This record gives sequence, structure tokens and C-alpha cells, in this order.
Amino acid sequence: SAVISQKPSRDICQRGTSLTIQCQVDSQVTMMFWYRQQPGQSLTLIATANQGSEATYESGFVIDKFPISRPNLTFSTLTVSNMSPEDSSIYLCSGGTGVYGYTFGSGTRLTVV
Amino acid sequence: AQSVTQLDSQVPVFEEAPVELRCNYSSSVSVYLFWYVQYPNQGLQLLLKYLSGSTLVKGINGFEAEFNKSQTSFHLRKPSVHISDTAEYFCAVSGWNSGGSNYKLTFGKGTLLTVNP
Repeated sequence: SAVISQKPSRDICQRGTSLTIQCQVDSQVTMMFWYRQQPGQSLTLIATANQGSEATYESGFVIDKFPISRPNLTFSTLTVSNMSPEDSSIYLCSGGTGVYGYTFGSGTRLTVV
Repeated sequence: AQSVTQLDSQVPVFEEAPVELRCNYSSSVSVYLFWYVQYPNQGLQLLLKYLSGSTLVKGINGFEAEFNKSQTSFHLRKPSVHISDTAEYFCAVSGWNSGGSNYKLTFGKGTLLTVNP
């Protein structure tokens, strides 16, 4: 299965700023996803990153707040914009080739102060 | 729409004891089911998956799960746990994303397995 490298692993950011998280996959994958995991909680899907087109966002998430890029089948970025303390969370990317389960990056632990 | 219910938020057990982590799902279509494990400060690792065929699925680290369609369950079991099995375990079901174009995973809230000496 694919291996995903995610960075940064953690960051502390000032409110009002933006952070871009990168995920690099060691092989081409059809689908990539971005999740948020708040402390002690489960994973919530933010959006599906579509190669060459706009991402598909889940209810409660918007492009202005979480712009996503996916220029090719091995790379994607998620930006958390205009951050507030409520954005403090773990962000994870995931990738795979269909319904056979997905590989996850190691996560980005974001703290907004 | 799909949903997943993990019935126990925490399961403490002693080392070498058997363990069962419970998962129930709901879906209006055929499902694919997964168990993931998350060790502290790490991402998620796939333990096992059910796509079709035999209802008993074997995964890594000695874990297995049984798909029960009539009870809409997919419980995870291990006959003898180790200290190193201490982690958060997530049950997930696949389904369509909001655009109806791609599969996505819907996760349960997780079960924290704590193995004590």
C-alpha cells in the first residue's frame, strides 16, 4: 500500500495567520482526502481532493477557510486560513485507490495561540 | 448515508486476556468495513478490512473481525493482548462523499484500549 509523508508534523501559529500542510504519496493514488481530528475525538472528513479540479467539501467546511490543491496524483496541500484557537486540531491526509481502505499520513498537530 | 457506532469509548484489560471491541454500522447500501489503529501521536494504520466473501477477516498483529450482516456488526477481537496493543481503535465504513463521486470513510468515535500489566 502507499506510503504518505505529511509535513509539518506540528506547528504553533498565531491567530489570523495561515498554515499550509503538505502530503506526498510514494505512488499514484486515485483519491486523496483531508480529515480533522479534534482532541479526543474521531476523524471528520473536511474534503476530497480532486486531481485537476476543485475539491469537494463536506457540510460545514468551505473553500475560503480550507483551500485545497491537488496538482497531480501524488501530492496535495491543505491550507488552514485566518486561524483561530478553534482550529487547533490534528489534520490528517489520506490516500488510496478505491474502496480497499486508505493509507494515512502521520498527521499535523496544529495549535493556534 | 452511513454511520458507525462504537459501543465502548474505553476498554481496560489485563495483558494476555482476550478482548472484543464492538462496532455497529448502518447503511442503506452494501458496505465495506474497516478497523484502524492509532498509536499515540501517530496517524492511522489499517488493521483489517471486509469487502466481501468470508465473514471472518484476519488482520495484522493477531487481530480478527467478524462481519455479521443480520446484526449489522463488525466486532474486533484478539485472543491475547499485549501491552503494545494499547491504542485508539477506529471502526469505519465506506460510502460516497458529498459530491457522489468518490468513496470516503465514515469513522466511529473510537475505542481506547488500555492493556495493563
